[in-house]
Amino acid sequence: AQTVTQSQPEMSVQEAETVTLSCTYDTSENNYYLFWYKQPPSRQMILVIRQEAYKQQNATENRFSVNFQKAAKSFSLKISDSQLGDTAMYFCAFINEETSGSRLTFGEGTQLTVNP
Amino acid sequence: DTGVSQDPRHKITKRGQNVTFRCDPISEHNRLYWYRQTLGQGPEFLTYFQNEAQLEKSRLLSDRFSAERPKGSFSTLEIQRTEQGDSAMYLCASSLAQGHEQYFGPGTRLTVT
Repeated sequence: AQTVTQSQPEMSVQEAETVTLSCTYDTSENNYYLFWYKQPPSRQMILVIRQEAYKQQNATENRFSVNFQKAAKSFSLKISDSQLGDTAMYFCAFINEETSGSRLTFGEGTQLTVNP
Repeated sequence: DTGVSQDPRHKITKRGQNVTFRCDPISEHNRLYWYRQTLGQGPEFLTYFQNEAQLEKSRLLSDRFSAERPKGSFSTLEIQRTEQGDSAMYLCASSLAQGHEQYFGPGTRLTVT
């Protein structure tokens, strides 16, 4: 079974600074997808960024980028120029339809607080 | 594209009562998923549909839970004889059949008293 681990329950950063959230996962498969989702307080889950395991190039979406290390099974999220609106719970998630169907497996989440 | 919608947003019920939640996916999405999220945790998969067919169910989905997607559009999740342990946020998501991004609705927060 695939597992996803986020070892940082809480993190904080000053506005305009850069922060990195960690995620590791465990799988024996080669082809899979990784995601970061953001869940603001009392609001719905929003897809932040996605990475295909077969791509070596790290995904980037505006201020959000990932550092995907396939051999180390590591998938960290870097948020540059942090904004107050980035305050949220961030979840790392994994999917491999060949072995685990269409279910997303989520980590425990990291609560990020951006301070003014 | 109006996004995934869920109804109701909040439900308070007494233990032993039945509840039903509805999810309307993004209109062109073939796949629809149900997850459950307890406070401070990541969502856990319950079940998913491709069109009207329920293709996978988690063992978390006890016999008291049933889900339907009769016409391949909206879906309902029913919980019979609710228990306090059923208190959670129930999330619905949808995706294109060949895509992998799942887009989530706002959730239905269930409180069983």
